[in-house]
Amino acid sequence: AQKITQTQPGMFVQEKEAVTLDCTYDTSDQSYGLFWYKQPSSGEMIFLIYQGSYDEQNATEGRYSLNFQKARKSANLVISASQLGDSAMYFCAMREVFTGFQKLVFGTGTRLLVSP
Amino acid sequence: DGGITQSPKYLFRKEGQNVTLSCEQNLNHDAMYWYRQDPGQGLRLIYYSQIVNDFQKGDIAEGYSVSREKKESFPLTVTSAQKNPTAFYLCASSIDRGGVGQPQHFGDGTRLSIL
Repeated sequence: AQKITQTQPGMFVQEKEAVTLDCTYDTSDQSYGLFWYKQPSSGEMIFLIYQGSYDEQNATEGRYSLNFQKARKSANLVISASQLGDSAMYFCAMREVFTGFQKLVFGTGTRLLVSP
Repeated sequence: DGGITQSPKYLFRKEGQNVTLSCEQNLNHDAMYWYRQDPGQGLRLIYYSQIVNDFQKGDIAEGYSVSREKKESFPLTVTSAQKNPTAFYLCASSIDRGGVGQPQHFGDGTRLSIL
């Protein structure tokens, strides 16, 4: 079964610095997708960035980029120029293909705190 | 604006009572999902539905029930059989076609507590 591991329960970063949030995954599928979501204290899950297993380039969306290392099965999120509003929980998730239904498997998350 | 609306934001359940959480989407998405989130944990799938009048159990369906009578609505009932219902419940939807790249879009969640 697919599995997502986020080993950092909490991370601290100063405003304007870059931070990397780790995510490793385990799958035997050749075709899969990796997603990162942000969950502020208010609770909603906000989609940030997506990386497909066949994508040759690392995904980027504004200040977010994904350091995708397929051989190492890692998909780390890099946030550049951190802002106070980036303080939140961050979840890595993988799209599992199961009898035609595409299920998301989530990691346990990393809490990021950005300090002034 | 298109999106997913969950209500209520907070809900309290008495012992032996069934409660229903509402989820409505106007994104014209085919697939809808219910997740449960416990403190310090990731999301776990309760039920999902790919089309109207069809739904499937997820990883933790015991003590829960759903219906999908309309494309835009996917209510979740937490029954009295669910002995530990206190959690944060998130509803999501997705296009669910065209490969693995379609993200799921989430509502703002309902926080359920036991009285």
